[in-house]
Amino acid sequence: EPEVTQTPSHQVTQMGQEVILRCVPISNHLYFYWYRQILGQKVEFLVSFYNNEISEKSEIFDDQFSVERPDGSNFTLKIRSTKLEDSAMYFCASSVIGSGGNYGYTFGSGTRLTVV
Amino acid sequence: QKEVEQNSGPLSVPEGAIASLNCTYSDRGSQSFFWYRQYSGKSPELIMFIYSNGDKEDGRFTAQLNKASQYVSLLIRDSQPSDSATYLCAVENRDDKIIFGKGTRLHILP
Repeated sequence: EPEVTQTPSHQVTQMGQEVILRCVPISNHLYFYWYRQILGQKVEFLVSFYNNEISEKSEIFDDQFSVERPDGSNFTLKIRSTKLEDSAMYFCASSVIGSGGNYGYTFGSGTRLTVV
Repeated sequence: QKEVEQNSGPLSVPEGAIASLNCTYSDRGSQSFFWYRQYSGKSPELIMFIYSNGDKEDGRFTAQLNKASQYVSLLIRDSQPSDSATYLCAVENRDDKIIFGKGTRLHILP
């Protein structure tokens, strides 16, 4: 079963530091996403990425956030200057858009980001 | 504001019974509807997706969609202790973005 792979599984960082979260989507998927889930809260959309550019982003995805596909396999989320409230589980997802609609996303196992 | 609403629970169901999970959504133009299962500390796992009004069955799971009422449900037959998890309703809006509800915690009583 193809998987979306995320690294690291847990990242602890000091407030104000930059972090890069990494993802390897499923190889034949074309659409990539980042979501986050603050402990006890719902899964929130951050950004979608297609054809090497951002296709949609939420209000959460401000100038502190950026995404990149540096090569043919990796998809990264960078937070430039982390804040305490950035502590959350960050999920990468990828999908194939089939005819008749979206078959849903396959999620990676997540990176737990703790900002201290 | 496009919303997906779910009762947070917990919903307690005896083992072997039918668990019924409900969800409403606000964007009438929504195209696709999904149910994900999330175990504590784990990532969401897709269980079912449905596009058309009516029922869709897959094993012990049945998804039901009523677009006129903006209502999606998930039935789990013959509930097992391993079904205990949080079930997330997710909706794809017209802008091709999937929005999640807060989830319903389901507890299957042995």
